[in-house]
Amino acid sequence: AQTVTQSQPEMSVQEAETVTLSCTYDTSESNYYLFWYKQPPSRQMILVIRQEAYKQQNATENRFSVNFQKAAKSFSLKISDSQLGDTAMYFCAFSSSNSGYALNFGKGTSLLVTP
Amino acid sequence: GAGVSQTPSNKVTEKGKYVELRCDPISGHTALYWYRQSLGQGPEFLIYFQGTGAADDSGLPNDRFFAVRPEGSVSTLKIQRTERGDSAVYLCASSVALRGAPYYNEQFFGPGTRLTVL
Repeated sequence: AQTVTQSQPEMSVQEAETVTLSCTYDTSESNYYLFWYKQPPSRQMILVIRQEAYKQQNATENRFSVNFQKAAKSFSLKISDSQLGDTAMYFCAFSSSNSGYALNFGKGTSLLVTP
Repeated sequence: GAGVSQTPSNKVTEKGKYVELRCDPISGHTALYWYRQSLGQGPEFLIYFQGTGAADDSGLPNDRFFAVRPEGSVSTLKIQRTERGDSAVYLCASSVALRGAPYYNEQFFGPGTRLTVL
């Protein structure tokens, strides 16, 4: 079974600064996907960024980028130029074809962006 | 187009009662997933459907939980003899037909149903 660990329950960053959220995972599979989801108080899960394990290049989406270290099973999210609207819970998640692409989530990191 | 919708948005019930939670996926999406999110936790997988059949129900916590998707579109999660520990947000997500790499099957989430068992 896969496990996803987020060791930072809460983090805080000032507006315009950069913050990195950590995630580690455990799997014996070679082909899988990793994701970061954002969940604001509205409860709506929003996909921030994804990474295919077979791709060596780190994914980037505007101010969001990942540091994917496959051998270390590490998948961190970097948010640059933080904005007040980035305040939310952030979940790291894993999926693979073996489980029908069902998402396996970590416990989340609560990010607060302050003025 | 319309996203995933879930009804009701909030449900309060008494211990021992029966509840049904509904999910309307995005039109044309054949895969449908149910997750349960307890307070302060990440969502946990319950069950997923590929078309009308439950392809994997290994996440259902016990036999009080059951889900159906009779016509391959709308799905209903049914909980019998509710317990206080069932209180959580129940999330539904859908995606297009499952395909292997290099395709990616993005899941689109609904807003969830908050279930409170008194």
